[in-house]
Amino acid sequence: QKEVEQNSGPLSVPEGAIASLNCTYSDRGSQSFFWYRQYSGKSPELIMFIYSNGDKEDGRFTAQLNKASQYVSLLIRDSQPSDSATYLCAGTNNNNDMRFGAGTRLTVKP
Amino acid sequence: DAGVIQSPRHEVTEMGQEVTLRCKPISGHDYLFWYRQTMMRGLELLIYFNNNVPIDDSGMPEDRFSAKMPNASFSTLKIQPSEPRDSAVYFCASGYNEQFFGPGTRLTVL
Repeated sequence: QKEVEQNSGPLSVPEGAIASLNCTYSDRGSQSFFWYRQYSGKSPELIMFIYSNGDKEDGRFTAQLNKASQYVSLLIRDSQPSDSATYLCAGTNNNNDMRFGAGTRLTVKP
Repeated sequence: DAGVIQSPRHEVTEMGQEVTLRCKPISGHDYLFWYRQTMMRGLELLIYFNNNVPIDDSGMPEDRFSAKMPNASFSTLKIQPSEPRDSAVYFCASGYNEQFFGPGTRLTVL
């Protein structure tokens, strides 16, 4: 079992809709969680991080963390075609080992 | 800041040849990470350094892979001898919890 699991998708949403990306992790020692966006042929780009249970909002993005359920999610409101990319979930433990999920490919259709 | 710099951006070599990938982290970042990304295996952590010292190399696939960080501004990942299954995009990242990725080196081993 991979330490960080994501639905590979593809996830397709219409422009203006809410895109919901989900991630689960197996290591209860995981402390910090990150969402990276990766456009095709490009490097991963950090868009959000979350350390505490609950929600964290940044513009159109909201990260949600539930440590009891070992669940992390990313909501993208008012999705735009430019949000079409692969979204990578990652978690780190006390040793700062970062483990990535396989990524979810998101397509936002105009 | 120019961000994380990697060279070369593309490398095509023949099986058995030595390959050296280079990375210059963002100035002031104490941590440096080497990742490999393939379609089959996703993004894998190979090794990371803290203050130029290798901390965890458990992700290095074989003895053919080696990495060094002689100073705070330079790191190399070497593959000797290279094999076709080493073909991947190799990313260098720097930072601590928030990792910033370089543009990657696309390696093709024929």
